[in-house]
Amino acid sequence: DIQMTQSPASLSASLGETVTIECRASEDIYSNLAWYQQKPGNSPQLLIYDANSLADGVPSRFSGSGSGTQYSLKINSLQSEDVASYFCQQYNNYPYTFGAGTKLELK
Amino acid sequence: EVKLVEYGGGLVQPGASLRLSCEASGFTFSDFYMEWIRQAPGKGLEWIAASRNKANDYSTVYSASVKDRFTISRDTYKSILYLQMNTLKPEDTAIYYCARDFSGILPFDYWGQGVMVTVSS
Repeated sequence: DIQMTQSPASLSASLGETVTIECRASEDIYSNLAWYQQKPGNSPQLLIYDANSLADGVPSRFSGSGSGTQYSLKINSLQSEDVASYFCQQYNNYPYTFGAGTKLELK
Repeated sequence: EVKLVEYGGGLVQPGASLRLSCEASGFTFSDFYMEWIRQAPGKGLEWIAASRNKANDYSTVYSASVKDRFTISRDTYKSILYLQMNTLKPEDTAIYYCARDFSGILPFDYWGQGVMVTVSS
C-alpha cells in the first residue's frame, strides 16, 4: 500500500497569511493526488485534483503543486472560512490512501 | 444536481450486521465508480471499498481492514449503492461516506452527508 505522510499535523496562521501543507507519498503516484477540505460536522470537499487542477467552485487562492512523491497545497491570503482540516489522497492505485490530515486554525 | 444520501446507520453490538445505503441522483450512476470511505471519531479518512463502473463490469475492491466482512454492491435500476457489513467490530465505529469517482480519473468530487455506525455492547 502507498503511505501518505502529511505535514504539519496542525498549523496556526493569521488572516491574510500564506500557508503551505506538504504531502509525501511512499512511491511515485504520477500526480494522481487530490486535496480535500473538511470543516467540522461536514463531509470533505474536493479542492485540488491531478496535483494542481482546481476543482469547480474552489477559490483561486488555493493551489496545488508537486510531482513524483512530493506534493503541496498552498493557501494564499488566508480567510476565516479556510479554518478546517485538510487531507491529501493518492488515487494512483487501490487501496486509495489519505494523509493523516492538517488542522488549520487562526492565530 | 448531484446528490448522494446515505442511510441505514445506527448502534449495533459487536458481531452484528448492518447494511448501509447510498441513494444517488443527478448523474448517470453506471458511468461512475462508487466508493465508501469512513472516518472514525476525531480521526482521518479511510477508504474501504469501491465498485467500478459498468464499463468495468462493476468489479469491486476492498481494503484489507474490511475484506471478507464487508460487501459493496449496487442496484443500477434504483441508483443505490450498498455496503453490507458483517461481523462488525468496535473499530468499525465511524461515519461512513459514499462518494463518486469518475473512473479513477477524477477523484471524489461529490460526497454524501455521511451516516454514523456505532459498534458497542
